[in-house]
Amino acid sequence: DIVMTQTPLSSPVTLGQPASISCRSSHSLVHDDGNTYLSWLHQSPGQPPRLLIYKISNRFSGVPDRFSGSGAGTDFTLKISRVEAEDVGVYYCMQTTQFPYSFGQGTKLEI
Amino acid sequence: QVQLVESGGGVVQPGRSLRLSCAASGFSFGSFALHWVRQAPGKGLDWVAFISYDGSVQNYADSVKGRFTISRDNSKNTLYLQMSSLRADDTSMFYCTRDYLGHFDSWGQGTLVTVSS
Repeated sequence: DIVMTQTPLSSPVTLGQPASISCRSSHSLVHDDGNTYLSWLHQSPGQPPRLLIYKISNRFSGVPDRFSGSGAGTDFTLKISRVEAEDVGVYYCMQTTQFPYSFGQGTKLEI
Repeated sequence: QVQLVESGGGVVQPGRSLRLSCAASGFSFGSFALHWVRQAPGKGLDWVAFISYDGSVQNYADSVKGRFTISRDNSKNTLYLQMSSLRADDTSMFYCTRDYLGHFDSWGQGTLVTVSS
């Protein structure tokens, strides 16, 4: 099974400043089809998760361009160029390359 | 727009069964694979089960294999999760989510399952 490890687990941030979250997988996430199925999701308090980034670096519809994803193989990063108040909550990386699919533990972003 | 609405949660005693439903609208239901994901209170996300667009393929987390069954009725635009032999550690919010080319692009609001005597 693929284990996803996020760092940090908690990140105090300042509005207007950048933030970065790392995600490492225990095995390469490169699928046999050549794609890397690494996504980032954001969960605001009391809400379901919502998709931010898919296949490492593709922003989902409606996601502000202050969010960006990068990485390859087993190491991935989510960056927020300038944190806004609505960005608080928990961020999860997840892999859908291989069953069983798995999530990172979550990173809590707080102002 | 895409809408997923879960139902069927509630309080259930350990060892008993429960069936969750997820009613879908706003998209061609029979063209998409679907998943159940759960979240224990105050904890992270936990993938539970997958079903292919036509229901022919399922896959489960080890923690629920043999106890949970995922199914779908494409004529009713509804996804199901039959849960049996429920345990206290199954207590969670259960979300259904749509799989669009390998990423989970739409999520329901969730239904809460509490396993307690």
